[in-house]
Amino acid sequence: DTGVSQDPRHKITKRGQNVTFRCDPISEHNRLYWYRQTLGQGPEFLTYFQNEAQLEKSRLLSDRFSAERPKGSFSTLEIQRTEQGDSAMYLCASSFDKTKNIQYFGAGTRLSVL
Amino acid sequence: QKEVEQNSGPLSVPEGAIASLNCTYSDRVSQSFFWYRQYSGKSPELIMSIYSNGDKEDGRFTAQLNKASQYVSLLIRDSQPSDSATYLCAVRGGGADGLTFGKGTHLIIQP
Repeated sequence: DTGVSQDPRHKITKRGQNVTFRCDPISEHNRLYWYRQTLGQGPEFLTYFQNEAQLEKSRLLSDRFSAERPKGSFSTLEIQRTEQGDSAMYLCASSFDKTKNIQYFGAGTRLSVL
Repeated sequence: QKEVEQNSGPLSVPEGAIASLNCTYSDRVSQSFFWYRQYSGKSPELIMSIYSNGDKEDGRFTAQLNKASQYVSLLIRDSQPSDSATYLCAVRGGGADGLTFGKGTHLIIQP
């Protein structure tokens, strides 16, 4: 499978715990995006990377959230001290700037905070 | 604050008919426009992209863009039950690379 890969697919955690999600983009895609989607809403942009540089962060990305993309390959999204309001689907997308940056999404990680 | 507005539906269309989905956006400097299809419990799947005024056709799908009216639409011809899904309108531009999505329109194709 050469699509965007996300791991884990599901995560259940208790309030206050830290969680980390991983995203592997389509190979040769230099841009990587994180979105959050709750039931009945469209995805909301969180942040994006061009290669290893984090270029844009939404105001939705509180200081409990941190994202990295070391070496410009896979990315991780960490949520510290999780809250019940963090329960959502976390979607990763990737794009290639020589093909109009069309974003292709992974299957997502569904987080449930108890 | 960029906004993308869609009628949440549900929009019910008989099989074989044309489904028409609409979207308006608030940011006049938006440059790129996308339609994604999302089945329940799945991730968004790109259907169409459009960048300039007018129509763009791809198989049974036609995207229409009117930048003066800040309006994007998606037509699905010969609707099939497998087209039943939520259709998300997404917009990019104004110096930002992240997409702004609408809430989506839930489309039901009745056999």
